[in-house]
Amino acid sequence: DGGITQSPKYLFRKEGQNVTLSCEQNLNHDAMYWYRQDPGQGLRLIYYSQIVNDFQKGDIAEGYSVSREKKESFPLTVTSAQKNPTAFYLCASKGSQLRSGANVLTFGAGSRLTVL
Amino acid sequence: GQNIDQPTEMTATEGAIVQINCTYQTSGFNGLFWYQQHAGEAPTFLSYNVLDGLEEKGRFSSFLSRSKGYSYLLLKELQMKDSASYLCAVRDQTGGSYIPTFGRGTSLIVHP
Repeated sequence: DGGITQSPKYLFRKEGQNVTLSCEQNLNHDAMYWYRQDPGQGLRLIYYSQIVNDFQKGDIAEGYSVSREKKESFPLTVTSAQKNPTAFYLCASKGSQLRSGANVLTFGAGSRLTVL
Repeated sequence: GQNIDQPTEMTATEGAIVQINCTYQTSGFNGLFWYQQHAGEAPTFLSYNVLDGLEEKGRFSSFLSRSKGYSYLLLKELQMKDSASYLCAVRDQTGGSYIPTFGRGTSLIVHP
């Protein structure tokens, strides 16, 4: 089955530590995205990548970094510079074109990061 | 950017009809999506509107008025499993990125 796999599902981190969240897709989608979700805040865009070896900052990129060395993989590193890292992180890819031409986002199941 | 507004929470009774509204302000509107998200899970696509009018898909329908910057998601014959968060997302063509911006979501609670 094609889809997006995020790992780990739950992660605990001490303050001052960097952590990397994995996102892998076998959908052959070019574009991939990282969103952060906080209660009452909706989804906010952290970084996105339209193609391999290229990525762009989203609305809240400070304290995060990404890489896109392979089409299938778009890992997100939450650095110690991120002031409030506790959140639910969602990875998505853009595919499934509708008749109208718009593309639907396919999401992974998410990774919940808690900073102790 | 966009300013997207939707109610924080709604409650409804099983078997009833509920309408979830979404208003937006954007300079380069290029479509509106509705996603459903159960707690702790991934959002899943429900509907897409780019032209004015109603799109019907089974128990779910979505309406768009571009002149009013307004959309709603209509859920009929509510079931307990419809208890979830409903996310309105607007796609903007400014800058050529076409990346949707999400509202804060509406938490729907369906009770017996």
